[in-house]
Amino acid sequence: SQQGEEDPQALSIQEGENATMNCSYKTSINNLQWYRQNSGRGLVHLILIRSNEREKHSGRLRVTLDTSKKSSSLLITASRAADTASYFCATDANSWGKLQFGAGTQVVVTP
Amino acid sequence: NAGVTQTPKFQVLKTGQSMTLQCAQDMNHNSMYWYRQDPGMGLRLIYYSASEGTTDKGEVPNGYNVSRLNKREFSLRLESAAPSQTSVYFCASSKGGTSGAWEQFFGPGTRLTVL
Repeated sequence: SQQGEEDPQALSIQEGENATMNCSYKTSINNLQWYRQNSGRGLVHLILIRSNEREKHSGRLRVTLDTSKKSSSLLITASRAADTASYFCATDANSWGKLQFGAGTQVVVTP
Repeated sequence: NAGVTQTPKFQVLKTGQSMTLQCAQDMNHNSMYWYRQDPGMGLRLIYYSASEGTTDKGEVPNGYNVSRLNKREFSLRLESAAPSQTSVYFCASSKGGTSGAWEQFFGPGTRLTVL
């Protein structure tokens, strides 16, 4: 079973717009991570947020975590065509790195 | 620095054949993982190794075995392949341990088809 569920499943935006995707999970976590996967490639780690953190930034990425609602969001500001990819949230319940992934949000950024 | 490497990149097997997927990392990471990814789904953990000398089952271990050969290498074996094992397999590693660094670094994947 998958712990995280992303919403929406797919997102189509134009360059320069912001992209927001959400992740909900079911059980308590130690940390939550976001990954990007370009078509036919392996996953690339974007950002990790611990359960005692509420917001984290990395470049054009902003991640929030609400443990009371068991949800997280990933915001990509000023999207570029190169941001076209699938984005996955993954939860780590016990800090041993046993991640449970959601099904992902497919983002298409058109020039 | 090659990161995480996997071999082979592609493989076609017949039902009942066996094969071993190889994974190696050069980042001196303690923890290593094997996942499978099926179309339209996220990754599911097959087996993981928290540190050299230890392995443990993940979410979908049936039909697979693993070996943590040394700190660098973690192999996945299919003893008797079945069509349900057709998937893309990813190996990953993380520093883990007492470092608190649990970000995972992924290999490029192996596309396996079982006929």
